[in-house]
Parts: sequence; C-alpha cells; structure tokens
Amino acid sequence: AQKVTQAQTEISVVEKEDVTLDCVYETRDTTYYLFWYKQPPSGELVFLIRRNSFDEQNEISGRYSWNFQKSTSSFNFTITASQVVDSAVYFCALSEARFNNDMRFGAGTRLTVKP
Amino acid sequence: EAGVAQSPRYKIIEKRQSVAFWCNPISGHATLYWYQQILGQGPKLLIQFQNNGVVDDSQLPKDRFSAERLKGVDSTLKIQPAKLEDSAVYLCASSYGGFSNEKLFFGSGTQLSVL
Repeated sequence: AQKVTQAQTEISVVEKEDVTLDCVYETRDTTYYLFWYKQPPSGELVFLIRRNSFDEQNEISGRYSWNFQKSTSSFNFTITASQVVDSAVYFCALSEARFNNDMRFGAGTRLTVKP
Repeated sequence: EAGVAQSPRYKIIEKRQSVAFWCNPISGHATLYWYQQILGQGPKLLIQFQNNGVVDDSQLPKDRFSAERLKGVDSTLKIQPAKLEDSAVYLCASSYGGFSNEKLFFGSGTQLSVL
C-alpha cells in the first residue's frame, strides 16, 4: 500500500524567509499522482498542485515551487519570501493509478510565518 | 461556484450517543468522499461513493459508522454509538469522476468532540 511521510511536524519562519516542506512517498506502482494541499485555520483543504509519475519537470508558480525527484521518491514544496498568510498546515498526498481515488495523506507540516 | 457544504460545523456529544453529519458536494460531482482527520494527523478515507453506490468502504468501522447517499447528491455520515476515539474532524470532499488523478474539493468539516 502507498505511504506518505512528512517528517517535519512544525516549522516556524520569519516573514520573507524561504521555507521548504519535505515529502517522501512509497508506492509499488509505476503510475501514480502526487498532490499538495493547504489547510488554513478555516479547515477546508485547498488543492495546490498535482504531478503524475511520468512528469518530473519541476514547476514554479509565483512564490511556490515544487521539486519532484523519482530517484529519491521525494516531492518537496518551497515557498519563497514567505508571508504571514502562508501560515497553515500543508499536506502531501499520493494516489495510485486505479479507478477509485484512494488518496493517502501524510501527517502534515504546520507552517507558522511570523511578522 | 458553490463549494462543498457541510453541517454542523461543531458537535459535542457524550460517549454512546449518536450523531449525524451532512454533506452537499459541488454540483455535478459524481464522487463523494468522507474523511476522518484526527488531531495532528492527515485525513484518512472512510468511504467513497460514486453517484449513489459505494466504491470503497474498507476503512469504515461498520459496527458503528454508516453512510448513505440515496439520491446520488448529498450524503449523511452517522456514528452510533460514539466512542471517545471518534473525536476528530470529519471532512467531506467531492470530485468530478472519482479517478485517481483528480483533485479533491473539500468542505470545512465538522469538528466532533466525544466526552
């Protein structure tokens, strides 16, 4: 069965610092999908990005960037020039390629950005 | 576009009582999910519906939990009788087709406290 590990439980940074959230996954499938979600204090998880296992191209979107490396089974997320509004819990998730979407989440990393 | 609606937002009950949660997914989304999120952990899938049929309920404690989606739209999750370890946030999510590459849209959840 698939597994997602987010070793960082909590991270605290000062505004404008860069921060990287780590994600390591395990799966026996060759086709799978990786996701990052953000959970602000309001509670709902908000989708940030999706990557499939055949696309190792890293992506930058504004202040966010993602580094996908199959060789190390990692899918790390970096926020550049962090802001107070980035404070939230961030979840990495993995879904194996089958009809039903059995998305498995990591335990999450709580990011606190201080002014 | 309206998001996933859940109610109630909070619920406090005593152990051995029953409780029900309601969810209305995004219009047009065929797939509905119920997740349990225990404090400090990532969401865990309890049950997945495709229209009004159950796709996956392998992690649903069926001796006390039940769920239905009779008309293929909104859904109810029930716990009877509740135990202390059921204290958690119950998240409802929906997606268009239920495939493993789809992102999920989440509601704000129901926070359940069992005393």
